[in-house]
Amino acid sequence: LAKTTQPISMDSYEGQEVNITCSHNNIATNDYITWYQQFPSQGPRFIIQGYKTKVTNEVASLFIPADRKSSTLSLPRVSLSDTAVYYCLAITDSWGKFQFGAGTQVVVTP
Amino acid sequence: DAGVIQSPRHEVTEMGQEVTLRCKPISGHDYLFWYRQTMMRGLELLIYFNNNVPIDDSGMPEDRFSAKMPNASFSTLKIQPSEPRDSAVYFCASTSAGGGRSYEQYFGPGTRLTVT
Repeated sequence: LAKTTQPISMDSYEGQEVNITCSHNNIATNDYITWYQQFPSQGPRFIIQGYKTKVTNEVASLFIPADRKSSTLSLPRVSLSDTAVYYCLAITDSWGKFQFGAGTQVVVTP
Repeated sequence: DAGVIQSPRHEVTEMGQEVTLRCKPISGHDYLFWYRQTMMRGLELLIYFNNNVPIDDSGMPEDRFSAKMPNASFSTLKIQPSEPRDSAVYFCASTSAGGGRSYEQYFGPGTRLTVT
């Protein structure tokens, strides 16, 4: 079971780029890195996933170096509505063992 | 699609009573997950099913908890007897293995359980 470690919280201003780094030193060969976002009183929502290098979608980018021991979620030009908890998790192929960590509370202020 | 449906949205019960939480996954999804979220313990995976069969129930805290999935469109999580420490938000999520390796789970709105 890959254990992930993230900062507890991060603060940012509107319009800035937010980068959240997650470490997963014992990631397995078949693990995918996945990020979720959770707003208060709602269930988590999938943001992005990747295996290696860089993945980009309309919401965020995910950077995974060659050794895959860490990954960075990049949120470009954040707005107040990006205030949420962000979870990084490593999921083994075919939904093996996985767990949500404590997450990173991102607070965006004007 | 209506998304994952959970009922009830809020439940208040007294210690010792039986509690049943319900979940309807998204049609066509073959994986269903039950989670519990508290401030102290965060988001915990309790159990998950694949094609209605329980695959991993190692997260179920104790014998008071049980989960069933009688068919592809319905699952229940039962707590009997309930205790105050069971107070939490319980989420149900579903997904489809599909043809590729997608790890996108779709979460329901959750059931907020309060045991007094």
